[in-house]
Amino acid sequence: EVQLVESGGGLVQPGGSLRLSCAVSGFTFTNYWMIWVRQAPGMGLVWVSAINTEGTRTNYADSVKGRFTISREDGKNTLYLQMTSLRVDDTGVYYCARLSGAAADRWGQGTLVTVSS
Amino acid sequence: IQMTQSPSTLSASVGDRVTITCRASQSISNWLAWYQQKPGQAPKLLISKASSLETGVPSRFSGSGSGTEFTLTINSLQPEDFATYYCQQYNTDWTFGQGTKVEIK
Repeated sequence: EVQLVESGGGLVQPGGSLRLSCAVSGFTFTNYWMIWVRQAPGMGLVWVSAINTEGTRTNYADSVKGRFTISREDGKNTLYLQMTSLRVDDTGVYYCARLSGAAADRWGQGTLVTVSS
Repeated sequence: IQMTQSPSTLSASVGDRVTITCRASQSISNWLAWYQQKPGQAPKLLISKASSLETGVPSRFSGSGSGTEFTLTINSLQPEDFATYYCQQYNTDWTFGQGTKVEIK
């Protein structure tokens, strides 16, 4: 069974840092691009970042460029999102998802990040 | 690339046929997906490549379009279909529409 499990969310002050993890199982991790998507409370879905199968190509939304870093550790079947210089508007549920043909066909349950003083 | 969905909210009854429209600010060929999201749950992929139904998704869901204009149609709306629907382009990076909430009339 395909599973993606996010962790690492929590409450952090503005300007702080947090690292999210997404542990995957049930499929060959190295065969798939992966993305992070976030959703502010009561709002829509927003793409955050993507990484290719080798971890050599990364893409970021303009709103997080220079502050967030996506990475993957194939030996641990884990995707990461390092978030720094966090702002109040970074608050939301962060989902990791697997890309198949560039559409996100499997999603985790999400982890909540709250940026507040 | 900007994605614009309409309407933002749609009121319908069980058994109705509903259509949601998604417009791209520039041509995206058929690189479009549709997702369903229910409260407290992760999104679920329904359709990819504008019209390709994912395995296990009921056939009452269908997608069409190419270029800049796309539609998601739900034939004979069922109680479990009341949810929010998002389009997403993946021609250049990834961009979601703002969502369409399908609510009970």
